[in-house]
Amino acid sequence: DAGITQSPRYKITETGRQVTLMCHQTWSHSYMFWYRQDLGHGLRLIYYSAAADITDKGEVPDGYVVSRSKTENFPLTLESATRSQTSVYFCASSESAGGPYEQYFGPGTRLTVT
Amino acid sequence: GQNIDQPTEMTATEGAIVQINCTYQTSGFNGLFWYQQHAGEAPTFLSYNVLDGLEEKGRFSSFLSRSKGYSYLLLKELQMKDSASYLCASLDSNYQLIWGAGTKLIIKP
Repeated sequence: DAGITQSPRYKITETGRQVTLMCHQTWSHSYMFWYRQDLGHGLRLIYYSAAADITDKGEVPDGYVVSRSKTENFPLTLESATRSQTSVYFCASSESAGGPYEQYFGPGTRLTVT
Repeated sequence: GQNIDQPTEMTATEGAIVQINCTYQTSGFNGLFWYQQHAGEAPTFLSYNVLDGLEEKGRFSSFLSRSKGYSYLLLKELQMKDSASYLCASLDSNYQLIWGAGTKLIIKP
């Protein structure tokens, strides 16, 4: 099915462990984004990618690493998880960065760091 | 700094009209988006405004005033399924979306 998927949907991990969140889209959109959503905050951009092998930092990149070797995949890695990284993570994609191109969001990954 | 302000929560009655306001201050401006997010789900696109004025789309309309840094989302003939959070986001000069914290809309029968 066409769309944008994320895995896992739920993850519990311990402080200090490495965790990778996966994102896959089937539209061949150029742009992909990773956001985190915390209560009382708007969505905050972690990293984004304009194309395969092109990535750039967003507002809150510290503690995260991304890669994009293929257009359809954009994994997010927490190198050494901390409790402050407990959050809901959304991946999104769009044809272009500018308006009126909307971003399409995956279902989210709820991550708990204990 | 960049800032998007919208009310935290609003309550309205089924069948009524509600207006959700958003004020923005961003580095540059390339348009204003509204998204809907039901609890536990992903945001979904509602509207995009880049020119001043009102854009109507069925029961939902969105208004923009660039000179005032102000937008609103107008929802008519409210239905119970409209209970959700409504997210305002400004596209800045780097073409990055700056998001408000969202307005939780509660619909009462």
